[in-house]
Amino acid sequence: TQLLEQSPQFLSIQEGENLTVYCNSSSVFSSLQWYRQEPGEGPVLLVTVVTGGEVKKLKRLTFQFGDARKDSSLHITAAQPGDTGLYLCAGEEDSSYKLIFGSGTRLLVRP
Amino acid sequence: DTGVSQDPRHKITKRGQNVTFRCDPISEHNRLYWYRQTLGQGPEFLTYFQNEAQLEKSRLLSDRFSAERPKGSFSTLEIQRTEQGDSAMYLCASSPSIGEQYFGPGTRLTVT
Repeated sequence: TQLLEQSPQFLSIQEGENLTVYCNSSSVFSSLQWYRQEPGEGPVLLVTVVTGGEVKKLKRLTFQFGDARKDSSLHITAAQPGDTGLYLCAGEEDSSYKLIFGSGTRLLVRP
Repeated sequence: DTGVSQDPRHKITKRGQNVTFRCDPISEHNRLYWYRQTLGQGPEFLTYFQNEAQLEKSRLLSDRFSAERPKGSFSTLEIQRTEQGDSAMYLCASSPSIGEQYFGPGTRLTVT
């Protein structure tokens, strides 16, 4: 069974600080997706990374896929209160395209 | 709005009752997925459809659970004889043949 471990589980930071969230597995995924989820809502797709070593930027968010396609990171620069939420990484299995999710990182950005 | 929609958004039921949820995917998306999410956890895969064919079911999907996608468009997920352990958020997602999955807002089920 493929598993994804996310760290940290919780993060509380001051507005303007930088942070990094990690997503690690012993398995290889064909792609990895990052989502953000608000309470009571479904996950919203932020980005998909496909190629080992790939780096994608979305405004203040930088996503990286590990060279071996087993791990990924999300870096947020100058965090804002609007970044508060649950960040989920999800790896895509080759055979069925189903997603294996990490348990999430709950981020709180204090004004 | 052309995103994934789910109905109802919230459902409270008594233990032992049957419930049915509906998911309307993004138009022309061939694949439709169901996931379950409990508090403090990431979503867990339940089942998925390629058009009307159900191609994979998780071991989490006990005999009390059944899902259908009769015409390859909307899908239903039915839970029979609900148990308190079924309380969770049930999420539906859709994707084109190959591509990213887009999630609906979910149905929050509470079994009392």
